[in-house]
Amino acid sequence: NAGVTQTPKFRVLKTGQSMTLLCAQDMNHEYMYWYRQDPGMGLRLIHYSVGEGTTAKGEVPDGYNVSRLKKQNFLLGLESAAPSQTSVYFCASSYNHLGGGYKNIQYFGAGTRLSVL
Amino acid sequence: GENVEQHPSTLSVQEGDSAVIKCTYSDSASNYFPWYKQELGKRPQLIIDIRSNVGEKKDQRIAVTLNKTAKHFSLHITETQPEDSAVYFCAASKQTQGGSEKLVFGKGTKLTVNP
Repeated sequence: NAGVTQTPKFRVLKTGQSMTLLCAQDMNHEYMYWYRQDPGMGLRLIHYSVGEGTTAKGEVPDGYNVSRLKKQNFLLGLESAAPSQTSVYFCASSYNHLGGGYKNIQYFGAGTRLSVL
Repeated sequence: GENVEQHPSTLSVQEGDSAVIKCTYSDSASNYFPWYKQELGKRPQLIIDIRSNVGEKKDQRIAVTLNKTAKHFSLHITETQPEDSAVYFCAASKQTQGGSEKLVFGKGTKLTVNP
């Protein structure tokens, strides 16, 4: 049981290049999330998905696109990378915790460190 | 939308002392408040959480308190140890119909425990 796996772990892009970050979870979780983490800014939600085939915008969605074609995978795309997208990207997943009251326990991947030059 | 403020941004304590981190939230409908710990270079991991129908929860050396009226919650770490050094994030969430739940995080507190 690997949990949440992110690939790649590191990447350096030139301005204008495109790339896709892959998140895979093997816990059969319904919900998946993409965050970016910048110094002093905490974890900011980019996009999220509440189920296969669905996506929604988070707090900082501009410049990113996502897709959730399979329940276990959540892809984050940068069509034309900009230096402002230099960050550490975390994927997370959670399930609908019904028993005993509402909870949203999120399990994070190890992160992708992206530099855009 | 929800806004979570976290203080202080940095906290330095001596080993064995207590540490307290405070958060406030804006949406009175929020009903779930987790705390995550992120060690240097690692992923965030849940350490404790509390629901709005509970005022306090304790797990060994860590505890969380919630004041719904004032809309604030706090993390308390007693008898701090060097391995408690990390960045701590609070978050708030509310259950919604249709399952669009998400967490709104505070900006984090960097805790340093000095031996």
